[in-house]
Amino acid sequence: EAQVTQNPRYLITVTGKKLTVTCSQNMNHEYMSWYRQDPGLGLRQIYYSMNVEVTDKGDVPEGYKVSRKEKRNFPLILESPSPNQTSLYFCASRDSSYEQYFGPGTRLTVT
Amino acid sequence: AQSVTQLGSHVSVSEGALVLLRCNYSSSVPPYLFWYVQYPNQGLQLLLKYTSAATLVKGINGFEAEFKKSETSFHLTKPSAHMSDAAEYFCAVSGQNTGGFKTIFGAGTRLFVKA
Repeated sequence: EAQVTQNPRYLITVTGKKLTVTCSQNMNHEYMSWYRQDPGLGLRQIYYSMNVEVTDKGDVPEGYKVSRKEKRNFPLILESPSPNQTSLYFCASRDSSYEQYFGPGTRLTVT
Repeated sequence: AQSVTQLGSHVSVSEGALVLLRCNYSSSVPPYLFWYVQYPNQGLQLLLKYTSAATLVKGINGFEAEFKKSETSFHLTKPSAHMSDAAEYFCAVSGQNTGGFKTIFGAGTRLFVKA
């Protein structure tokens, strides 16, 4: 089954404690992306990757890092999480027609 | 800068009534346009997409949308609402004029369906 998986689905952490949210896709897509979803703001793009070792900032990259060492994986790293990063995060991969396939989401709470 | 505007953060219709969710975009060239749906506690899934072929696009679950270049609109419609249509709907734009690889989403419209 074609899918995008994310882990963990839920995470509660404290300010400053480094965390990583994993994302993996099995569709051999070159393009992957991370979004955060906040009420009234829709989805905002954090980072995207056009292929292995090629990443670029989206609209809200501050406080986040990404890496793309393998085509299937695109982890999101929060080196020093802060409460304003409490949000619902989605990973997505995209095919050649620009259609995106989303993971189930990771709900992050930073206290 | 590219933008997407969804008119109405909440829309309420009766079961069996017409559904109309509005989306306007800003673009100097026709982009790729999408409608995604998000059911509670789930990720987004594609309803339909416009990629410069037919201007009237049919999607899943009886939804359709019409690309109107003169109005820079891509409104989503469904002739008869069903209770299962209650969800949040997002309009999105992508393509060369969004920086090549970015996707811009609207703020979303939550659809309520009354029995």
